[in-house]
Amino acid sequence: KNEVEQSPQNLTAQEGEFITINCSYSVGISALHWLQQHPGGGIVSLFMLSSGKKKHGRLIATINIQEKHSSLHITASHPRDSAVYICAVADYQLTFGKGTKLSVIP
Amino acid sequence: DAGVIQSPRHEVTEMGQEVTLRCKPISGHNSLFWYRQTMMRGLELLIYFNNNVPIDDSGMPEDRFSAKMPNASFSTLKIQPSEPRDSAVYFCASSWDRLGTGELFFGEGSRLTVL
Repeated sequence: KNEVEQSPQNLTAQEGEFITINCSYSVGISALHWLQQHPGGGIVSLFMLSSGKKKHGRLIATINIQEKHSSLHITASHPRDSAVYICAVADYQLTFGKGTKLSVIP
Repeated sequence: DAGVIQSPRHEVTEMGQEVTLRCKPISGHNSLFWYRQTMMRGLELLIYFNNNVPIDDSGMPEDRFSAKMPNASFSTLKIQPSEPRDSAVYFCASSWDRLGTGELFFGEGSRLTVL
């Protein structure tokens, strides 16, 4: 079973700061997902990637397959980015990290 | 498309009662997933269907849990009999591709409380 570790568990940032959330896994995968869960509970898929880097607006996701590591970056953070960010890895099943709770203060 | 639709959004029941959660995936998606989220364990995959066939049910906690997908537009997750430790948010998600290789689209979740 793939072991997925996210760090940090909790993160508080000032508006405008650059934010990095990390995800490490133990076994080779076919894809990695970054998900966002807002306080209301809904879950939205941000990225799915299997190599390299993807960018969407102020969000950037990178993955290093050799090092079994992915990062999610948020540039110019905003209070509306406050949410739980969850990493999920796909091998023969989908395994989730415990999530990183981000709070962006105005 | 309306997205993945789950019902009910909230369910409160007493221990021992049968609970049925429902999910309508996005039209055209061929994979459907049931997840459970608790504070202690986070998100866990319960079962995964591809083309209406259960592919991996290793996450189903015990025989009290069962899931069906009688057609491409409907799935149920049933708990019988329910126990307080089943209290959680149950999410359904669908995808146009196999496990993990397609973008996941989640429903709003069904919050279950078993008293």
